[in-house]
Amino acid sequence: KAGVTQTPRYLIKTRGQQVTLSCSPISGHRSVSWYQQTPGQGLQFLFEYFSETQRNKGNFPGRFSGRQFSNSRSEMNVSTLELGDSALYLCASRLLVQETQYFGPGTRLLVL
Amino acid sequence: KQEVTQIPAALSVPEGENLVLNCSFTDSAIYNLQWFRQDPGKGLTSLLLIQSSQREQTSGRLNASLDKSSGRSTLYIAASQPGDSATYLCAVTNAGNMLTFGGGTRLMVKP
Repeated sequence: KAGVTQTPRYLIKTRGQQVTLSCSPISGHRSVSWYQQTPGQGLQFLFEYFSETQRNKGNFPGRFSGRQFSNSRSEMNVSTLELGDSALYLCASRLLVQETQYFGPGTRLLVL
Repeated sequence: KQEVTQIPAALSVPEGENLVLNCSFTDSAIYNLQWFRQDPGKGLTSLLLIQSSQREQTSGRLNASLDKSSGRSTLYIAASQPGDSATYLCAVTNAGNMLTFGGGTRLMVKP
């Protein structure tokens, strides 16, 4: 089976712009979660989607949003980018809550 | 609010040593605990998953234990190799289905 894929792998944006990141889960996985990783805050949960519904959301401002499509692919969007949004954004998928989460390679976002 | 702590933050050992990485969490109402490995600039690779009803899991040279009541887990790496050099992260799943991560232990195994 193919693993979790994320596109693009690298992005450079300027403050005030918006960005959309994409994640394709492992085939058959309907749960997709997003995490932000920064040197200062470590790994932090953004949100989880299951069958096109957001099940949980982390403590991030409304500028961070996401969605999931009927084929389980997910996108996350960050509007009005700030310098502090520079991070590695990781997507993970799993079959069930009690199962292993599988992570993609991440999208590295640099905001200038 | 769940908090996960990993000690030590960094560890340097000579090749061949057995080592233990520690993870503690504040809320024992967890579904499971996972150990991950992360190489610089890369995503996370799942190493071991321990369900809340289990005490330990083994995979090759890796053994992870879980003491849910005391809020502790350890990852034991036997006969360490330079290729084991990476950051090791533990994470717990509890209410809300999200993973809460520790800060990681950066491991360097010297040849």
